[in-house]
Amino acid sequence: QVQLQQWGARLLKPSETLSLTCAVYNGSFNGYYWSWIRQPPGKGLDWIGEIFQSGDTTYNPSLKSRVTISIDTSKNQFSLTLTSVTAADTAVYYCARRGPYDSSGFISWGQGALVTVSS
Amino acid sequence: SSELTQDPDVSVAVGQTVRITCQGDSLRIYYAIWYQQKSGQAPILVMSGKNIRPSGIPDRFSASSSGSTASLTITGAQADDEADYYCSSRDSSGYHFVFGTGTQVTVL
Repeated sequence: QVQLQQWGARLLKPSETLSLTCAVYNGSFNGYYWSWIRQPPGKGLDWIGEIFQSGDTTYNPSLKSRVTISIDTSKNQFSLTLTSVTAADTAVYYCARRGPYDSSGFISWGQGALVTVSS
Repeated sequence: SSELTQDPDVSVAVGQTVRITCQGDSLRIYYAIWYQQKSGQAPILVMSGKNIRPSGIPDRFSASSSGSTASLTITGAQADDEADYYCSSRDSSGYHFVFGTGTQVTVL
């Protein structure tokens, strides 16, 4: 069964850059979309963006100016960078695998990482 | 703000049926997909866009869609079904994904 394991800095100061990486184990990296989703404490889910194996990316318009998602197919890893963070970026960040079709959904999820932005 | 609207909370007695709805214009065109999130855990997929349950999801979960409204139904709810449920679909542009506002299901 595919497992997603994520890591990265958990405590940031305002204006710093958030960086998270997600590694994919026990499954094919190819043919899927690799996504980042976040959830502020006590709130709902918010899609950040995704990347395909080719490197093609799509981002949430509300975050597009600050977000970069990259991929390293040789390591079966993909990463999230979010610049100029503020307290509003405090959230649990999830990496997820989305199936190749619109009907597929986010099939597998990482365990989540709480990132706190505080001065 | 989310383009998909859900009732904030619903309750159901054990063994009874509960329907969770999701409303949004994009649902007229794109699939609704459903996720369950238990407290402190990552979400899991409970219903794909073609109303197919992933392996391991009980058959008491079913889904339907009509016009701008999609529904997830739990027939014979169990205590283990107590969780937050989110719908998801593409947004009105078709290029991005959005999640519904979420429904907290309490099993009495």
